Amino acid sequence: GAVVSQHPSRVICKSGTSVKIECRSLDFQATTMFWYRQFPKQSLMLMATSNEGSKATYEQGVEKDKFLINHASLTLSTLTVTSAHPEDSSFYICSAARYGQGHEQYFGPGTRLTVT
Amino acid sequence: AQSVTQPDIHITVSEGASLELRCNYSYGATPYLFWYVQSPGQGLQLLLKYFSGDTLVQGIKGFEAEFKRSQSSFNLRKPSVHWSDAAEYFCAVGGSYNTDKLIFGTGTRLQVFP
Repeated sequence: GAVVSQHPSRVICKSGTSVKIECRSLDFQATTMFWYRQFPKQSLMLMATSNEGSKATYEQGVEKDKFLINHASLTLSTLTVTSAHPEDSSFYICSAARYGQGHEQYFGPGTRLTVT
Repeated sequence: AQSVTQPDIHITVSEGASLELRCNYSYGATPYLFWYVQSPGQGLQLLLKYFSGDTLVQGIKGFEAEFKRSQSSFNLRKPSVHWSDAAEYFCAVGGSYNTDKLIFGTGTRLQVFP
């Protein structure tokens, strides 16, 4: 149990377009999901915390208008990169906190975004 | 300030040798500690975690870690490394709720020579 999926696993888009990444908890309810960004050979940087039914909380320095996060249900959170530019190319990883249980988060497999 | 320090950016060991990856943390409350492994282009896999109780915790793939409160450390060990252990290893600290943010270290890249 406690599986988190991300879709797509890889996406290539043109500069100026928007791309949506989905994060789903497949077999549990997640009141809270987290979005991370990882540059090559670097650590994970938390971008935002997403709570079901409320606005996401963004970390300092993360543009909320550029990285739109929606957590419409207990099993789905989406990250939309708007007006993408090459510098947005990165590996995006989500994690989910299982509602009412445990102390750990469960991570998705990541999405590789390349903006050309 | 809350932080995690992994002093070793890159470690190289021979297959069959023992391994210790260092992790030091700074956290204002009771820390919940994790070690994750990441293979290239992949997500994170949880190796082990410490919440309370026995300070020596066993994880998957033959890994173990020891929590030392006095040293604010949570070092990862393996007695005999396999070539398949080559990957990036991240130490992380979080709070008592799974909705708390995780703070990650910068990672240690492990290279294994035959």
